[in-house]
Order: sequence, then C-alpha cells, then structure tokens
Amino acid sequence: QRVTQPEKLLSVFKGAPVELKCNYSYSGSPELFWYVQYSRQRLQLLLRHISRESIKGFTADLNKGETSFHLKKPFAQEEDSAMYYCALRDDKIIFGKGTRLHILP
Amino acid sequence: NAGVTQTPKFQVLKTGQSMTLQCAQDMNHNSMYWYRQDPGMGLRLIYYSASEGTTDKGEVPNGYNVSRLNKREFSLRLESAAPSQTSVYFCASSAGTGAGELFFGEGSRLTVL
Repeated sequence: QRVTQPEKLLSVFKGAPVELKCNYSYSGSPELFWYVQYSRQRLQLLLRHISRESIKGFTADLNKGETSFHLKKPFAQEEDSAMYYCALRDDKIIFGKGTRLHILP
Repeated sequence: NAGVTQTPKFQVLKTGQSMTLQCAQDMNHNSMYWYRQDPGMGLRLIYYSASEGTTDKGEVPNGYNVSRLNKREFSLRLESAAPSQTSVYFCASSAGTGAGELFFGEGSRLTVL
C-alpha cells in the first residue's frame, strides 16, 4: 500500500479554489483520511472518507476508479495555510509525503 | 485533558549515544504509534503497537527499538544514534487499529551531531 501526494507546495490566492491531490494504491477497500498540521499545533484529523462530511469548508471524495482522494475547498482562506497529509489505514496508518498549502493574500 | 504527552521536546545527541523517547496517553487507547517527520519525506511509521503486549515494525524500523510498557506508555529507543536519525518524532494513539483517528503528541525534535 502506498499514498502519493504529488505536490510538495501549493500556492493559491485567497478566495480561489483549492485542490490537494492524493492517490493511493491498496489491494482491498481503503479507508482514507486527511490530516492537517497548522503552524505550532499538533497534527489533527481533518476528515475521513467514510464520514462524507465537510470540515472547515473542505471536502474529499473517494474515487475508486482513479484511486484518488483529493481534498477540495471552493474558496481558500488565509487560515487554511498549513501542511496537509493524506493517510490510508489497514492494520496501521501510513501517510503521504504531505503538501504545504500557502494561501496568498 | 493531556491526551498524548511526549518527552523530551528537544534533545541533542552525539553520534553513538543512546536515548529513549517517552510517550504516554491518558485516553485509554489500545493502539500506539511512533512516526518520524522529515522535510520532503512526510510522516513515516517507525513502529506501532496494536495493543498492550504487541509491537510491530513499520516502514523505517532500523536503528530503533520500542517497548509497550503498559497500556498508557510506549517508548522509542535509539541504541546508537546516527546523524540520519535527526528528525522530529511523533507519538500517536488511537482507540484501536480499526479506529482511524490518530491523536498526536506535540513532537520531539532530535538532533544527532
């Protein structure tokens, strides 16, 4: 199993849409998550695919055909600047390399 | 509510020295994990403990040992530190391996000279 986040850094203007990419490889039915690390804060769960919820305006849809779990937000806010990690669970949880999101004023 | 507590927060070692990172959680979680975080490499799993009394290797276990002392505590030991082990180490816990949400400690920044 593997999690791939192709972008190390993503810079987006405030108010513009955001899409953080995540692709995975897994032989069974995956359980996928997005974690976020704000400056000087602990890593924390942002959302999980089974919940199908929107947190802080972010959503992520599992696309099994494309093996993707991209994180999206229609209008970026400055407080969204953070490090974002996509993660996959089987008997343990593994993470991608992360994408740093930088919101430009 | 402390959650996951790691000590020490900062440590500088010389090559070849040993040290133990301590982790404790007060959420009655079954599973505990140690990750390292390096620029450009993301979070990589070192070892995990699915339940008290069990430990398993993760993605990058070489050079490390762990002990699940009891349900609350999970320590990570570097027997002979190397510069390649300079990193930020995170301990995390979850209710079980079937529970997806990890709760993280604040991290321990280790520098090996």
